[in-house]
Amino acid sequence: DQQVKQNSPSLSVQEGRISILNCDYTNSMFDYFLWYKKYPAEGPTFLISISSIKDKNEDGRFTVFLNKSAKHLSLHIVPSQPGDSAVYFCAASFGNEKLTFGTGTRLTIIP
Amino acid sequence: EPEVTQTPSHQVTQMGQEVILRCVPISNHLYFYWYRQILGQKVEFLVSFYNNEISEKSEIFDDQFSVERPDGSNFTLKIRSTKLEDSAMYFCASRERQGEIWAFFGQGTRLTVV
Repeated sequence: DQQVKQNSPSLSVQEGRISILNCDYTNSMFDYFLWYKKYPAEGPTFLISISSIKDKNEDGRFTVFLNKSAKHLSLHIVPSQPGDSAVYFCAASFGNEKLTFGTGTRLTIIP
Repeated sequence: EPEVTQTPSHQVTQMGQEVILRCVPISNHLYFYWYRQILGQKVEFLVSFYNNEISEKSEIFDDQFSVERPDGSNFTLKIRSTKLEDSAMYFCASRERQGEIWAFFGQGTRLTVV
């Protein structure tokens, strides 16, 4: 049951360039989407979210885009910094309840 | 900054033994969750807890699992008879209120069943 999918297990980006992480979902009932960042030996840390009624949300270097017709969202990080190296999880929620996570994308920022 | 605290950070147990994983959610939070992540896989929902009762549980959360909020601060996950496949990272999470979307996660307890 892969309701939330992150098809790229890893991504390497040069420092200063844009990082784009992608996520697809299948359940059209999801009404909120979130990105979490996870460092080794730590719990997931909330990064940014977007409601299904919006198509873009921006917070500093992080922007999330939602394309409902394609059931696709993406996280843009610009400019990428070495501290951004982590595993990024896309998650979705319906009715403010449990989070359904993707499998994660390991982002490596190359200095 | 307030945080969710989990103990122990690593627990090794023999198959068939009972384990209790402990969590102290953020003090004014009302919604509590357990998630787990088997090595190399995605983070999976186990159970949600609100108003001293389970509000939702996944198919993973069978009769071997139970949760409890024994006092005003702790939130525990008990696995009665551990199996090898219970080996995973277990994350506790809490959320303040209904309207808040994101949950705060603890650092996790790595459970190893041998």
